[in-house]
Parts: sequence; structure tokens; C-alpha cells
Amino acid sequence: NAGVMQNPRHLVRRRGQEARLRCSPMKGHSHVYWYRQLPEEGLKFMVYLQKENIIDESGMPKERFSAEFPKEGPSILRIQQVVRGDSAAYFCASSPPSLAGNIQYFGAGTRLSVL
Amino acid sequence: AQKVTQAQTEISVVEKEDVTLDCVYETRDTTYYLFWYKQPPSGELVFLIRRNSFDEQNEISGRYSWNFQKSTSSFNFTITASQVVDSAVYFCALSEGLTGANSKLTFGKGITLSVRP
Repeated sequence: NAGVMQNPRHLVRRRGQEARLRCSPMKGHSHVYWYRQLPEEGLKFMVYLQKENIIDESGMPKERFSAEFPKEGPSILRIQQVVRGDSAAYFCASSPPSLAGNIQYFGAGTRLSVL
Repeated sequence: AQKVTQAQTEISVVEKEDVTLDCVYETRDTTYYLFWYKQPPSGELVFLIRRNSFDEQNEISGRYSWNFQKSTSSFNFTITASQVVDSAVYFCALSEGLTGANSKLTFGKGITLSVRP
């Protein structure tokens, strides 16, 4: 019974490169959430997706960041032209189909370092 | 707007001591959900508990207990007879709303608990 799988665990990029973070939800879960954890801070919500649909992107930076959750395959968080300030841990969580207050189960995170 | 405050940033105790982690929340919704997560040194986030706003019963699970008080908007977490393996960052979180569309979690900044042998 695999949990939420995120890869890679660690990602190093130079300024200006693109970063692609992948998240496979738990089996049977159709909702995916992305959060960012900056050093010394809690997790901040970025985006909430269902298959082929963005439900809430109120936490996404306006530029360079995008997310998708296609019908087949993992959810992808894409950061274009990375800057040093993008260095953080990015966590993905998944939950079962829509009920308020669903427990979100988290992956182990992707630690992005921008040189 | 929703907000979660964990005023304690770091707590250090000796093994077998009891420790309480505080959490205060703000929300305008009458229906909401509260959570605690644990982040051990390995970095993953582990779900510990969920409570809804209509259920103020305290909960005990082994050495862990939770005290939910709507009157003070608090959802505190107590570890009894702490162990070294309890060393981690603990996050309190809140989600609002009646529909799945509002299920995003608002986290506090976390409390770093160190349990010394």
C-alpha cells in the first residue's frame, strides 16, 4: 500500500534552469495539493488539483510556477527560470475524493537547491 | 482569513517528562477541521490527528492526547512520558469549509521538540 511518492528527493538547479517536481498520489486518491516549506517556516499552500483540473491556485506565485495533474501519470509542479529564492522543500499531499476536512497524506518532499 | 499560531518555537525536555505543545487558531467559519502533523528529522510529514469543529471531546492515543477548546480557539497536544523518538517538528494545521474546494491546510510555523536522554 504505497504512500504518496515524490521524486526526485533532492534536486539541484542553476539559476535560470527549469525544475520539474513529480508527485504520485496514494492509490484511490484523486486530489493533490502542493505546499512549499521555506527554512524556519511552516508549510504554505500553493495549489490544489483534481485530475485535469485546477481547483485552487491562490497560493501559486503569479509567474514562473505552474502545476498540472493529467488524466494519466503523476502531478507535476514546474518552476521555470529558477532563482535562489525558490530553494525550499516542496511537499505534495493527496486525499480521497471530495469531502471537506479530508486527511491529507504527505510525501517525503523534494528539496530544491538553486545555485 | 484563517490563521494558526504556534507561539512556542523550540522546546527541550528530558526523557520521560510530559510536554504540551500549544496551538491557537483563527477562523470565521463555523465548520472547520484541525490537524496535527509530525515532521521527524528524516523530513517526511506524518499525520497524527484530525478533529472537526463540532466535536470537542478530548482524545487520547497511547502517550498522545489532544485538548480541543472552542472557547479559547485552542487545540493543544500533550505527549506523556516523552521519548527520544518524539524529537521532531510538530505542526498544527486548519482547514475550513463545507466543500472539498476549501480543503487547503493553513499551517502554524511548527514547534521543534527535542527530547534528551
